[in-house]
Amino acid sequence: GAGVSQSPSNKVTEKGKDVELRCDPISGHTALYWYRQSLGQGLEFLIYFQGNSAPDKSGLPSDRFSAERTGGSVSTLTIQRTQQEDSAVYLCASSWGQGRSYGYTFGSGTRLTVV
Amino acid sequence: GENVEQHPSTLSVQEGDSAVIKCTYSDSASNYFPWYKQELGKGPQLIIDIRSNVGEKKDQRIAVTLNKTAKHFSLHITETQPEDSAVYFCAASTGANSKLTFGKGITLSVRP
Repeated sequence: GAGVSQSPSNKVTEKGKDVELRCDPISGHTALYWYRQSLGQGLEFLIYFQGNSAPDKSGLPSDRFSAERTGGSVSTLTIQRTQQEDSAVYLCASSWGQGRSYGYTFGSGTRLTVV
Repeated sequence: GENVEQHPSTLSVQEGDSAVIKCTYSDSASNYFPWYKQELGKGPQLIIDIRSNVGEKKDQRIAVTLNKTAKHFSLHITETQPEDSAVYFCAASTGANSKLTFGKGITLSVRP
């Protein structure tokens, strides 16, 4: 696609439920990143994919968070047993990766609200 | 790991004036420094970036300067316009296979 697409754009869920957030990167971009942005805060790194593998998942806050990427394209971030502190905007970005431009292209994010 | 700091958290300028936003970083191995602009309800958008082998880069009204010795880099916006009002993030990384570490962002307001 022309840009990074994220769905849903908004998600309200009850505490304790599981949620899945989807990211569809720019076609051909091998690198994919998930970040979290809490209200008034900067961007907190969660996980990085190169192809289908995740060489850096150091930012995942707990074992309730997991992510996968299939076919070197779409990625899904899953949060199990959601807590109120998980409320944030979850941003996905993609880039060409090694040997090409380093610049990220971000999606518009998924605003997650846990009630 | 890398730590990127951005000060102040807000900046207000008169339309037509220049704005300068500064960031510092901690990891001397960092070699890529992008700036992102985020408008309300949107994801951050890359506006300019610089690599460690150059000291300055310009693109129309915006420029970025890098001082590797002092480990700081700055975004310069000239002839500011109301549409420049947004949150600006600086970031740093050590290369293509490493994550970007972002500063906390600065809210720039351009007064008409």
